[in-house]
Amino acid sequence: AQSVTQLDSHVSVSEGTPVLLRCNYSSSYSPSLFWYVQHPNKGLQLLLKYTSAATLVKGINGFEAEFKKSETSFHLTKPSAHMSDAAEYFCVVSDQGNNNDMRFGAGTRLTVKP
Amino acid sequence: KAGVTQTPRYLIKTRGQQVTLSCSPISGHRSVSWYQQTPGQGLQFLFEYFSETQRNKGNFPGRFSGRQFSNSRSEMNVSTLELGDSALYLCASTLQDTGELFFGEGSRLTVL
Repeated sequence: AQSVTQLDSHVSVSEGTPVLLRCNYSSSYSPSLFWYVQHPNKGLQLLLKYTSAATLVKGINGFEAEFKKSETSFHLTKPSAHMSDAAEYFCVVSDQGNNNDMRFGAGTRLTVKP
Repeated sequence: KAGVTQTPRYLIKTRGQQVTLSCSPISGHRSVSWYQQTPGQGLQFLFEYFSETQRNKGNFPGRFSGRQFSNSRSEMNVSTLELGDSALYLCASTLQDTGELFFGEGSRLTVL
């Protein structure tokens, strides 16, 4: 079965500095990988997704992630943090051979300091 | 296109009561899944329905149940509420070819 590990429960950056949120996964099949963002008291919104096409995936709001099969990683990055990026971020893996069963990471809370 | 709609958004119940939450998926989406989110346990999968049939089930007691109607709308029910059931309950509908989930804003349940 697939699983996902978000390596940091909390990341704090200053506005204008780069963001790196780390995610490692395990999967028996060809996985689909997603990053979702959740603002307080809101549902989750899709940032980006990897579904076996280009390994560097660009998402909304300037975020991108790179699928590295050899490292089983799917880290989320952004060159310059904005105050509005402060939120909870979830890495998600879906085994395409396993009836689209989705597994969520524990989440990383991103704080952006002025 | 309208998004996933969950009702009610907020509700307060007392221990021992039951609650029913509703979810209307995006038009054309036939799969609906439910999640419980708490500060301590994070996001936990409850169950998934597809074409009115429960297809997957998480590790929750039988007090948690759900159903899906022919129009793909789904309800979940929690009976004999406990304080620990206080949570944000999220519903998501799925675009089957990519497995991408589209989430509603959630129903925040407080059990007193």
